Amino acid sequence: TQLLEQSPQFLSIQEGENLTVYCNSSSVFSSLQWYRQEPGEGPVLLVTVVTGGEVKKLKRLTFQFGDARKDSSLHITAAQPGDTGLYLCAGAEGATNKLIFGTGTLLAVQP
Amino acid sequence: DAGITQSPRHKVTETGTPVTLRCHQTENHRYMYWYRQDPGHGLRLIHYSYGVKDTDKGEVSDGYSVSRSKTEDFLLTLESATSSQTSVYFCAISETRVGYTFGSGTRLTVV
Repeated sequence: TQLLEQSPQFLSIQEGENLTVYCNSSSVFSSLQWYRQEPGEGPVLLVTVVTGGEVKKLKRLTFQFGDARKDSSLHITAAQPGDTGLYLCAGAEGATNKLIFGTGTLLAVQP
Repeated sequence: DAGITQSPRHKVTETGTPVTLRCHQTENHRYMYWYRQDPGHGLRLIHYSYGVKDTDKGEVSDGYSVSRSKTEDFLLTLESATSSQTSVYFCAISETRVGYTFGSGTRLTVV
């Protein structure tokens, strides 16, 4: 079974700080996705990265897929209270559409 | 954007009773999935479907069955509910190589 480990598990920071969340695996994925989940709701897709070394920016969020397609990172610049939530990475297995989800990073941004 | 709805949103049931959760989509997506989310375990795949009447097991399928008789509906049945099946259940839909859209979840408590 492929595993995706995220670090840190919990992160509490002040508004305006920068942070990075890591997603690591020993397995290669055909693509990697990042989701954000708020309490009482399902995860919402933020981005999909497909190519090794790929970098995508979504406003203050920067996503990177490792060269070997085994790991990824999410960097948030100048965090805001609205960024609070559970961040999940998910790797796609080969030709199937099945996703393996990471363990999650719970982010709290204090005003 | 209610392209995917889950029902019920909350349910309390007794040990040993059968329970069926429903997922309904209006997006005509090919793939549908059932996940459970538990503290310390993240999101784990129960069953998934890649077309009408085409389903397969995920990593935690024991005690669960599914049916998909129409493109838009994917049912998850707990044959005889146990306390270990107390969880939050999420349905998701997708097309090939595209990110998932999740429902809002069903919180199931087995007493």
